[in-house]
Amino acid sequence: IAGITQAPTSQILAAGRRMTLRCTQDMRHNAMYWYRQDLGLGLRLIHYSNTAGTTGKGEVPDGYSVSRANTDDFPLTLASAVPSQTSVYFCASSDTSGSSYNEQFFGPGTRLTVL
Amino acid sequence: GQNIDQPTEMTATEGAIVQINCTYQTSGFNGLFWYQQHAGEAPTFLSYNVLDGLEEKGRFSSFLSRSKGYSYLLLKELQMKDSASYLCAVTDSNYQLIWGAGTKLIIKP
Repeated sequence: IAGITQAPTSQILAAGRRMTLRCTQDMRHNAMYWYRQDLGLGLRLIHYSNTAGTTGKGEVPDGYSVSRANTDDFPLTLASAVPSQTSVYFCASSDTSGSSYNEQFFGPGTRLTVL
Repeated sequence: GQNIDQPTEMTATEGAIVQINCTYQTSGFNGLFWYQQHAGEAPTFLSYNVLDGLEEKGRFSSFLSRSKGYSYLLLKELQMKDSASYLCAVTDSNYQLIWGAGTKLIIKP
């Protein structure tokens, strides 16, 4: 593994189903983030984690949950998917949370369609 | 509220120069990033400004004026591979990145 990986690459999901998007980084970054990107709206922060064992809510957290059991993994769970959660999901990490220089490194994204 | 404005789309000619503007209104300011995102790919880091002035990096330069809440990304000697979206992002008082919607740059031969 080099950098950040996400799985699956894409997924079609029936409404009401539970889904977990996986994210793993091997850079030992302390901070990790989940974004969704929708056309015309840019990147919106769903949840973040400044360090293992802690998580926080971003701009659009409703319908999503996260956990950070260790440094490397940061899964995002949709408990009961709805069509409005159709989006491209990006996981990111940085090693400078709480600093003005907060360069974030992104995974390749997961394209999720909820029908 | 927090707001970052960028033009939705711009068109330029191969070999030319293009300037992409970004204005911001955020709760605090702790730096401004520019990222490049090719279609279907992840954003990648281009530049960072925290002090007023121009930062040059090869064909790309980024300018910041904190008093005006304004930045621009300048791309010189445009190449077809520069066709992408360019995202402006500001680090706010909570050290979170606030993202603009991005500017889609189309390069024509």
